[in-house]
Amino acid sequence: SAVISQKPSRDICQRGTSLTIQCQVDSQVTMMFWYRQQPGQSLTLIATANQGSEATYESGFVIDKFPISRPNLTFSTLTVSNMSPEDSSIYLCSVEDRKTGGPDEQFFGPGTRLTVL
Amino acid sequence: GENVEQHPSTLSVQEGDSAVIKCTYSDSASNYFPWYKQELGKGPQLIIDIRSNVGEKKDQRIAVTLNKTAKHFSLHITETQPEDSAVYFCAATSGTYKYIFGTGTRLKVLA
Repeated sequence: SAVISQKPSRDICQRGTSLTIQCQVDSQVTMMFWYRQQPGQSLTLIATANQGSEATYESGFVIDKFPISRPNLTFSTLTVSNMSPEDSSIYLCSVEDRKTGGPDEQFFGPGTRLTVL
Repeated sequence: GENVEQHPSTLSVQEGDSAVIKCTYSDSASNYFPWYKQELGKGPQLIIDIRSNVGEKKDQRIAVTLNKTAKHFSLHITETQPEDSAVYFCAATSGTYKYIFGTGTRLKVLA
């Protein structure tokens, strides 16, 4: 499986500021995703990071709040903009190397633990 | 909309006993069902998965069963060990990248 790293692993930020999270994969992958996991909760998909084009956002998430870049097949960034305490969560990058016509395994990075004061 | 229910939310077992976690999905088009283990401070780790064309899959002490008619699938862990203690998530997808996750089960294995 792909090896995924995220930076930073954790951060404490002041409200109103922005944080950019990086996701690096050790091999080229077709699909990269960003998830949010609020404290003690399940995983919610924020968006699909598309290489060379704008990200595809899920309902309830917008580009102005969570701008995403994906300049190549191994790297993506997620920015959490104008943060408030409600943005305190774990942000997870995941990848899927689609080889078949159907769903393939998704693998997750270690996560970025964000606390907003 | 699509939904995955997961039970129980917490589960405590004695070391050596078996643990079973159950999930029910709503979308009859779902065809891929992965299970993830999340240890404290780490990202979810894929531990086993099953596709809709099989009813059961085993990997050493863990197994997953799927009942398409009833739209539910279960994770079975035998001979539990303290290192099995974690939060387990089920998920379902209908052939796209979008996973619908269950709400998680916190498993505690008591030594």
